Amino acid sequence: ETGVTQSPTHLIKTRGQQVTLRCSSQSGHNTVSWYQQALGQGPQFIFQYYREEENGRGNFPPRFSGLQFPNYSSELNVNALELDDSALYLCASSFTGNEQFFGPGTRLTVL
Amino acid sequence: QQQVKQSPQSLIVQKGGISIINCAYENTAFDYFPWYQQFPGKGPALLIAIRPDVSEKKEGRFTISFNKSAKQFSLHIMDSQPGDSATYFCAASGLHNAGNMLTFGGGTRLMVKP
Repeated sequence: ETGVTQSPTHLIKTRGQQVTLRCSSQSGHNTVSWYQQALGQGPQFIFQYYREEENGRGNFPPRFSGLQFPNYSSELNVNALELDDSALYLCASSFTGNEQFFGPGTRLTVL
Repeated sequence: QQQVKQSPQSLIVQKGGISIINCAYENTAFDYFPWYQQFPGKGPALLIAIRPDVSEKKEGRFTISFNKSAKQFSLHIMDSQPGDSATYFCAASGLHNAGNMLTFGGGTRLMVKP
């Protein structure tokens, strides 16, 4: 059984640029959630995708968008990057339930 | 609005001791309460979880105690080991809130001294 994987591991961007982060869900899981974790804080929910549709969204602006593909993998896109977007971005997969399993994250630095 | 409050922020325990981390929540619609363990540079790993129909759940050295009336729950780590040194997060979610989103506490940095 393959766990949740994310790519890339690290990424450096400049303010105003756009970024795409990728996630492959755990085998058998059909739901993907994305979280932002600032340094020294708990993860904050961005949004969740179920069967390729957004299934819930946290308090993040529209420049945070996502996609889920038929194989349940997912992308997180962030436009017009701001310095405060620097964080660890976590993907979690689940099978239509509460139990969510996290990937290792992508560390994004915005300069 | 912080819906899950976690304490303490940091904790130092001697090897073999008991580590206790507490969380309080506000939203009575929450019905699933997991604990995650996170090592530096890694994603959070699910440790143990409880639903409000039971007051306690034990898995190995880890125990969750749940007090529904007080809206509080806690993690007890028995016989704490240096390898348990990590940041621990409590979380909560409900079937009817936005896509089963997890609301996390602020985290507790645990250090177990040899």
